[in-house]
Amino acid sequence: AAGVIQSPRHLIKEKRETATLKCYPIPRHDTVYWYQQGPGQDPQFLISFYEKMQSDKGSIPDRFSAQQFSDYHSELNMSSLELGDSALYFCASSLGETQYFGPGTRLLVL
Amino acid sequence: RKEVEQDPGPFNVPEGATVAFNCTYSNSASQSFFWYRQDCRKEPKLLMSVYSSGNEDGRFTAQLNRASQYISLLIRDSKLSDSATYLCVVESSNYKLTFGKGTLLTVNP
Repeated sequence: AAGVIQSPRHLIKEKRETATLKCYPIPRHDTVYWYQQGPGQDPQFLISFYEKMQSDKGSIPDRFSAQQFSDYHSELNMSSLELGDSALYFCASSLGETQYFGPGTRLLVL
Repeated sequence: RKEVEQDPGPFNVPEGATVAFNCTYSNSASQSFFWYRQDCRKEPKLLMSVYSSGNEDGRFTAQLNRASQYISLLIRDSKLSDSATYLCVVESSNYKLTFGKGTLLTVNP
């Protein structure tokens, strides 16, 4: 069965650079969620989209923005990167209650 | 106080042991409850949803007590492949998931 696809899988950036993470949800799933998991931490909810509209917002810094496109894929844009942004970024998708997670993008900010 | 609190662990058990994980949540308006497992450096994967009536899936049994805001997971006859971090997860309105810190389980031969 098709799963959530995330790209890139690994990303290395320097401080103050920008990064764009992409997420392709499971076909026919209408909701996308973004989570950030720092080293040794639990995943923290960032933002979600339902039918291309932002549906909820969590602890997402103002330096980050996200959107969901007409084909339901989503992009997380991160600017002015800081060392503390180094983390695993998961995208999840759902059609209803159960969220299925992608393999994540591991971002390292040097 | 964190929204979702779990046993800090880690748990080290021999193969075949029974192990129980406990979790409490603070938001009484929470709507759905799950256990996810996460292997090292991998994504969280849904293990099972948790219902008030209790539910069982093979060696795994989950229980929810809404009155005391308590969730549990029991693993019977543990296998080496059960070694992972177990995340207690609570879903609020708008389907936002809040995770516990996770409990690391290591099953030893």
